Amino acid sequence: QSALTQPPSASGSPGQSVTISCTGTSSDVGGYKYVSWYQQYPGKAPKLMIYEVSKRPSGVPDRFSGSKSGNTASLTVSGLQAEDEADYYCSSYAGSNNPRVFGTGTKVTVL
Amino acid sequence: EVQLVQSGAEVKKPGESLKISCKGSGHSFTTYWIGWVRQMPGKGLEWMGIIYPGDSDTRYSPSFQGQVTLSVDKSISTAYLQWSSLKASDTAMYYCARLGYSGYEADQWGQGTLVTVSS
Repeated sequence: QSALTQPPSASGSPGQSVTISCTGTSSDVGGYKYVSWYQQYPGKAPKLMIYEVSKRPSGVPDRFSGSKSGNTASLTVSGLQAEDEADYYCSSYAGSNNPRVFGTGTKVTVL
Repeated sequence: EVQLVQSGAEVKKPGESLKISCKGSGHSFTTYWIGWVRQMPGKGLEWMGIIYPGDSDTRYSPSFQGQVTLSVDKSISTAYLQWSSLKASDTAMYYCARLGYSGYEADQWGQGTLVTVSS
């Protein structure tokens, strides 16, 4: 099972929007609604930002939104803030024989 | 407050065995899957496997099948990740996480356990 494909980097100025893609196959992203997104600061544990493609856990700002089309999921961060500078990973359910699969990760830089 | 507290950093030699732990509190430990995630130095996240403390049902990611063993002791709300023979390539940060909300995502994470394998 290969990792989901994400762009290595993305950037935007404060107040702008940035969208990160996560491309898989019909066996993972395209086949299930269980795509989640995580934010990770250097040296820290990841934090759940989006689950079930587009749902936000309590406490996550509504600047973060998720969507999916076919085998590609996306995370959009609107109104970029300095604190959004971090690594972001997608994850998808991939069937009962393969618990989950992560994306390759995207480093978001706020210019 | 839901918490997952992991055991401390380990320094081991190649060929040695190791068992690290993840103790849950603040929630019904037996009704949520626990997952383990590896992060090698400077690299991305990798799912290793998941275990259901209620009945020890375990699913391994193909890359980790046969390489590690997941277990739980539900009497003390603790999950374990173990190796029988460590390799230098096992050097990494290891996180445990609770699979909450719909059960398919990691909504609570441990602080991580750094494992260093070096001769």
